[in-house]
Amino acid sequence: DAKTTQPPSMDCAEGRAANLPCNHSTISGNEYVYWYRQIHSQGPQYIIHGLKNNETNEMASLIITEDRKSSTLILPHATLRDTAVYYCIVRVAYDYKLSFGAGTTVTVRA
Amino acid sequence: DTAVSQTPKYLVTQMGNDKSIKCEQNLGHDTMYWYKQDSKKFLKIMFSYNNKELIINETVPNRFSPKSPDKAHLNLHINSLELGDSAVYFCASSRTDTDTQYFGPGTRLTVL
Repeated sequence: DAKTTQPPSMDCAEGRAANLPCNHSTISGNEYVYWYRQIHSQGPQYIIHGLKNNETNEMASLIITEDRKSSTLILPHATLRDTAVYYCIVRVAYDYKLSFGAGTTVTVRA
Repeated sequence: DTAVSQTPKYLVTQMGNDKSIKCEQNLGHDTMYWYKQDSKKFLKIMFSYNNKELIINETVPNRFSPKSPDKAHLNLHINSLELGDSAVYFCASSRTDTDTQYFGPGTRLTVL
């Protein structure tokens, strides 16, 4: 069972920042927030993950609220190639598996 | 320099046949996985192997048998294929069984 809630879809303008929300109100102290995306007909691609601090890498930024009950994935300058299904996943630190939900279908428009 | 590769990319076969899907990773990872993505697009883990040993079997029918000849390879053999086996199968690997997982491109299996 997915432990996260994401909007089913959202649109974003090319060149603008895309802010993808995720609710995980039942998250435990030892659970990480992971983000993956799946571009059509490809395998899931790892984006970023975090525990409680905000994280940034070359692909995106992850902002986790202080109470850890929600987070936002930020794609700073969305391009058409960022059109994909984005999955927010809560994962226990010692757990082997990723439990994917339905994700958010993000469409970047020119 | 593909990190996780799978063959074949597409597989079309008849019910009752036996088929295999191959996966290879060149990341030096110790753990490999098989996931299944059905027509509703939900991804679910099937198996996990760590250092060539099966560590997880997620209530998958025993017609599915993973085989790991070495740490870099994890193959999936499916006996007596059924219509419901039609799906996209993804292989993944990670440095350890709790580390970030990296996925292959998928194998689309169609059972007629």
